[in-house]
Amino acid sequence: DADVTQTPRNRITKTGKRIMLECSQTKGHDRMYWYRQDPGLGLRLIYYSFDVKDINKGEISDGYSVSRQAQAKFSLSLESAIPNQTALYFCATSDWTSEVNEQFFGPGTRLTVL
Amino acid sequence: EDKVVQSPLSLVVHEGDTVTLNCSYEVTNFRSLLWYKQEKKAPTFLFMLTSSGIEKKSGRLSSILDKKELFSILNITATQTGDSAVYLCGGSNYKLTFGKGTLLTVNP
Repeated sequence: DADVTQTPRNRITKTGKRIMLECSQTKGHDRMYWYRQDPGLGLRLIYYSFDVKDINKGEISDGYSVSRQAQAKFSLSLESAIPNQTALYFCATSDWTSEVNEQFFGPGTRLTVL
Repeated sequence: EDKVVQSPLSLVVHEGDTVTLNCSYEVTNFRSLLWYKQEKKAPTFLFMLTSSGIEKKSGRLSSILDKKELFSILNITATQTGDSAVYLCGGSNYKLTFGKGTLLTVNP
């Protein structure tokens, strides 16, 4: 079984709809991250969380919100989706005891906003 | 603001060639430099570098970090078509900042 899972894997929605992307991990890591990837732009950090009570904005948090329901679960919400949020979204985890912050990625969610 | 720049952005070579991918970084409270390979799916971990001048090697891939000049290189020798991918470099403090990636295409 995969250590980091994301649901759904693919989603097509319409402008203005509320969307939630979910991430679960069985690695026992405290730190979790949400990235989006657009062609030619690499991975950009949306939000990150170092434990259940800690939520931090990344470089592109506008239009997104997150919820850390438990150590193993980190959800990303688009309150009112817009077409330029069409992208590939990745969740990642890392271990707080590791100073070097190696991150483990989920399989990604491909989101299309029409 | 932390910044990571990769070059070239894309590269096309023939099987058997040797390639060098570059990564420069400006990361506050820098701790490590990480390389990932991405083949149409989630990035997979290649190397983590924390010390200058110490080469990390895995098969035909190797990487080194220069903390004085703030850059790292990833070398791939005797390239194969299976090496075709996007290679991502990330600079880490308490979070990872990624570059835009280098798209490597290896033709038979």
